[in-house]
Amino acid sequence: GAVVSQHPSWVICKSGTSVKIECRSLDFQATTMFWYRQFPKQSLMLMATSNEGSKATYEQGVEKDKFLINHASLTLSTLTVTSAHPEDSSFYICSASVGYGYTFGSGTRLTVV
Amino acid sequence: AQSVSQHNHHVILSEAASLELGCNYSYGGTVNLFWYVQYPGQHLQLLLKYFSGDPLVKGIKGFEAEFIKSKFSFNLRKPSVQWSDTAEYFCAVSWDSSYKLIFGSGTRLLVRP
Repeated sequence: GAVVSQHPSWVICKSGTSVKIECRSLDFQATTMFWYRQFPKQSLMLMATSNEGSKATYEQGVEKDKFLINHASLTLSTLTVTSAHPEDSSFYICSASVGYGYTFGSGTRLTVV
Repeated sequence: AQSVSQHNHHVILSEAASLELGCNYSYGGTVNLFWYVQYPGQHLQLLLKYFSGDPLVKGIKGFEAEFIKSKFSFNLRKPSVQWSDTAEYFCAVSWDSSYKLIFGSGTRLLVRP
């Protein structure tokens, strides 16, 4: 089946630095990928939709300058958390649409100290 | 605004008990409906989905769900739960051929041996 590989699985960074999270589709081409954020004991909140070769579409309330999304190829989408702050600490999950629905990455636990 | 509600936040059952988790969505239109499961430490996995046709959908691991259009509901059921069903369950909906998935808040299920 369609597999999405997400890296890193966890990362700790200092406040003010930037962190890049990668999401790769391993055995299919993902023209559309989605980035979610999941706070502890809460649901997934859609942050943005990225389309290969075009600008991402951000959900209301998501700072596009803070959460930079790049979808330069059909197999890779990246999320960069710029100038991270402790309140950005969360679980970030990518997803790609496939014929039968969606497939999800394993997530990245970001901790900003 | 489009929203998905899961009214049961925490459910505790004994093995062999029957399970029903509620899911309601905010308004009509053409909907695609999903139930995902997230086992501890793992990524989201698709349990079942409804796009069209028979409103009673059978998924993996003995789960099923019924789409009741008049009630805007897509409840998940399993006649006899197992300890291994302990996980968090998410209902998700997309509307009108959009790729955007909106998730419910999730239900944490604990099955006691």
